[in-house]
Amino acid sequence: SQTIHQWPATLVQPVGSPLSLECTVEGTSNPNLYWYRQAAGRGLQLLFYSVGIGQISSEVPQNLSASRPQDRQFILSSKKLLLSDSGFYLCAWSVSGFAYEQYFGPGTRLTVT
Amino acid sequence: RKEVEQDPGPFNVPEGATVAFNCTYSNSASQSFFWYRQDCRKEPKLLMSVYSSGNEDGRFTAQLNRASQYISLLIRDSKLSDSATYLCVVNSPGAGSYQLTFGKGTKLSVIP
Repeated sequence: SQTIHQWPATLVQPVGSPLSLECTVEGTSNPNLYWYRQAAGRGLQLLFYSVGIGQISSEVPQNLSASRPQDRQFILSSKKLLLSDSGFYLCAWSVSGFAYEQYFGPGTRLTVT
Repeated sequence: RKEVEQDPGPFNVPEGATVAFNCTYSNSASQSFFWYRQDCRKEPKLLMSVYSSGNEDGRFTAQLNRASQYISLLIRDSKLSDSATYLCVVNSPGAGSYQLTFGKGTKLSVIP
């Protein structure tokens, strides 16, 4: 069966510090991968998605970036965090192709102070 | 008009009650529809896909009305464990056919 991992579970970072969140998927090949952010009391916002290694599409201009160095690894990064980057970051995967259901990792709760 | 709209609730219902959630979507070309459940401070989890003919999974029934562009979720015999936020999800044609748009969710509290 497929499993998706995210770490760390929680993170407190000062403004201006860098960020690196990692997501890995097991039990599937060539998945579509997604990064979402959920701010407190708000809906899910798609940040990035990837349909293959090195292929990244950005949905929202911001100070975040994403990379996919391996088929089942997806990384979210920032060089300098802003207060507005606080939120619940969720990685998800789906079968490649059409809009199949997505499965989420446990998420990282980021607080920027 | 928002892409996916849901009544935010909260819906406070007693155990054993039947509760229904509705959701409307704006893109008539959407083809994939889902309901997800999100517990407090947890990740969303797929509850069920929604098929054109309607589908049922135990106490949960989902229906799709393409003409009116709305989706419904019916929960019968509510349990305390059903307390969560229910997210309506629709695919977003034209934005990358594999992308999904999530509603902000409807909060359900089942009361003893």
